[in-house]
Amino acid sequence: GIQVEQSPPDLILQEGANSTLRCNFSDSVNNLQWFHQNPWGQLINLFYIPSGTKQNGRLSATTVATERYSLLYISSSQTTDSGVYFCAVDNNDYKLSFGAGTTVTVRA
Amino acid sequence: EPEVTQTPSHQVTQMGQEVILRCVPISNHLYFYWYRQILGQKVEFLVSFYNNEISEKSEIFDDQFSVERPDGSNFTLKIRSTKLEDSAMYFCASSVMGWNTEAFFGQGTRLTVV
Repeated sequence: GIQVEQSPPDLILQEGANSTLRCNFSDSVNNLQWFHQNPWGQLINLFYIPSGTKQNGRLSATTVATERYSLLYISSSQTTDSGVYFCAVDNNDYKLSFGAGTTVTVRA
Repeated sequence: EPEVTQTPSHQVTQMGQEVILRCVPISNHLYFYWYRQILGQKVEFLVSFYNNEISEKSEIFDDQFSVERPDGSNFTLKIRSTKLEDSAMYFCASSVMGWNTEAFFGQGTRLTVV
């Protein structure tokens, strides 16, 4: 099956800092999603982005499908941004394959 | 905004007991899924369901698991005889189509087998 690798595994930020999370995948995809898992365990949809660039407030994402990677940018981080960020992809087999996640800790 | 809802949010059960986890997918969605996440690990696919039948399942989804859409709104996951290793967060998800569309996840059911 498709392999999904996320980096870095852990990220510690001071409030107000910017950061970039990366997701590499091993095959072509027709679906790529970014999620934020909050401290209660809920998976919050951030972006559906199989290609191109999207922005939502302080978050933005870019997927370069031909080079098999996606980036999630967090700007002006806040403590509420803490949690685990997952990238998940689907290459036409009716299921999402998740990466191991990046654990983000934002310190006040 | 439409959302996927799951009940219960927490369930504690004794080893060997049967449990049923319930989900109400988004109403115009046609594909339904169950995923699980063992504490501290990544989210794993269990099964996808379309047109009242399983369309894909993982090797985790063995004979002790089953899924059902008992009526027009609910989607359930049954674990027949729970084991300690079934303790995990179980997520239900739904999407309009099976590919090229965004999947939306419920808030999860935390299952603890004791």
